[in-house]
Amino acid sequence: DSGVTQTPKHLITATGQRVTLRCSPRSGDLSVYWYQQSLDQGLQFLIQYYNGEERAKGNILERFSAQQFPDLHSELNLSSLELGDSALYFCASSVVGDNTEAFFGQGTRLTVV
Amino acid sequence: GDSVTQMEGPVTLSEEAFLTINCTYTATGYPSLFWYVQYPGEGLQLLLKATKADDKGSNKGFEATYRKETTSFHLEKGSVQVSDSAVYFCARRRGNQFYFGTGTSLTVIP
Repeated sequence: DSGVTQTPKHLITATGQRVTLRCSPRSGDLSVYWYQQSLDQGLQFLIQYYNGEERAKGNILERFSAQQFPDLHSELNLSSLELGDSALYFCASSVVGDNTEAFFGQGTRLTVV
Repeated sequence: GDSVTQMEGPVTLSEEAFLTINCTYTATGYPSLFWYVQYPGEGLQLLLKATKADDKGSNKGFEATYRKETTSFHLEKGSVQVSDSAVYFCARRRGNQFYFGTGTSLTVIP
């Protein structure tokens, strides 16, 4: 158990809809990262938050947004969903410090039909 | 810029074969380096790490040595098992950012 909790584990929704994925980081971790993993593809970095503020953006679509709340949990909002958005979405958290690793949640599998 | 390049897969090996998965990085300074493993249907788990040049990370029979002169962090295991079948990701950290390779799928057959 990594200590990072993601909900829900599975989500099936229709095209055009909007969903929210939730992540609770490990206790004490201020940084939260979101990644997308499509079939047969590697990890695509989406966005990073640190202590409530956006720190870095990767290949995140304009239809996607995220935030980190004062209790440090984070939500990733995906809107106007398309079939191609079907993927595994991972959240990871880490502490500050160059030597420390990121801890990953189990992921949310999103299926858009 | 910062990047991690790892050997493309898929890799198929027989049980007890020797495994090497190559990983090289570009970086300024001395980043921390990691290998993660993703078993089917699961999230990424840290397999091992090294935080400075010449460090050797090891876990579950896997090893990787931080080679500054060749900017490499190749993953090795002397005798793979069926249970090692997974996707392996090389990664590096700079500041608060992580950079992942594209992943190498390993299948071990009995």
